[in-house]
Amino acid sequence: QKEVEQNSGPLSVPEGAIASLNCTYSDRGSQSFFWYRQYSGKSPELIMFIYSNGDKEDGRFTAQLNKASQYVSLLIRDSQPSDSATYLCAVTGNQFYFGTGTSLTVIP
Amino acid sequence: DAGITQSPRHKVTETGTPVTLRCHQTENHRYMYWYRQDPGHGLRLIHYSYGVKDTDKGEVSDGYSVSRSKTEDFLLTLESATSSQTSVYFCAISKLAGGPDTGELFFGEGSRLTVL
Repeated sequence: QKEVEQNSGPLSVPEGAIASLNCTYSDRGSQSFFWYRQYSGKSPELIMFIYSNGDKEDGRFTAQLNKASQYVSLLIRDSQPSDSATYLCAVTGNQFYFGTGTSLTVIP
Repeated sequence: DAGITQSPRHKVTETGTPVTLRCHQTENHRYMYWYRQDPGHGLRLIHYSYGVKDTDKGEVSDGYSVSRSKTEDFLLTLESATSSQTSVYFCAISKLAGGPDTGELFFGEGSRLTVL
């Protein structure tokens, strides 16, 4: 079983819609959770992190964490074509564990 | 800008040849990492360093070695490259002193290696 699981997609949403990206993890002791965005041919860049159960909002982005269900999600409101990228979920234990990423396409 | 540079950015080599990738940081952070990224596998940790001459293995360390003789440089060496090591390699740093569990990673631009 992989440490971090993500639906690889591709996920397509129309411009202005809400994109919902999901991630599950296997280690109940995980403490920190991150969402990275990676444009094609570029390096990953951090967009959100969350440590506590509940929601964390930053602009158009909301991260949601449910430790009991071992589930992390990222919501992108008012999706823009510039949001088209691969989104990587990462979970920390003694090191970072990355999911394989979900490809998101926002259709104008 | 996290002050991380990788070199070379692109390299094509032949099976059996040695290859060294260099990661240089300008901010003297303690923790440095080497990852490889492959379709269907995501980012996988090869080796990491928690200080000068202090390194440890990640989940895919076979066929790779590392060295860190200065805080700012972390070298990844493929002693005898194989086609299975064709990949994109990313160097990363952790800006917080506590290492993996205490903060996000910042990545270099990546080095694309092709082994023929």
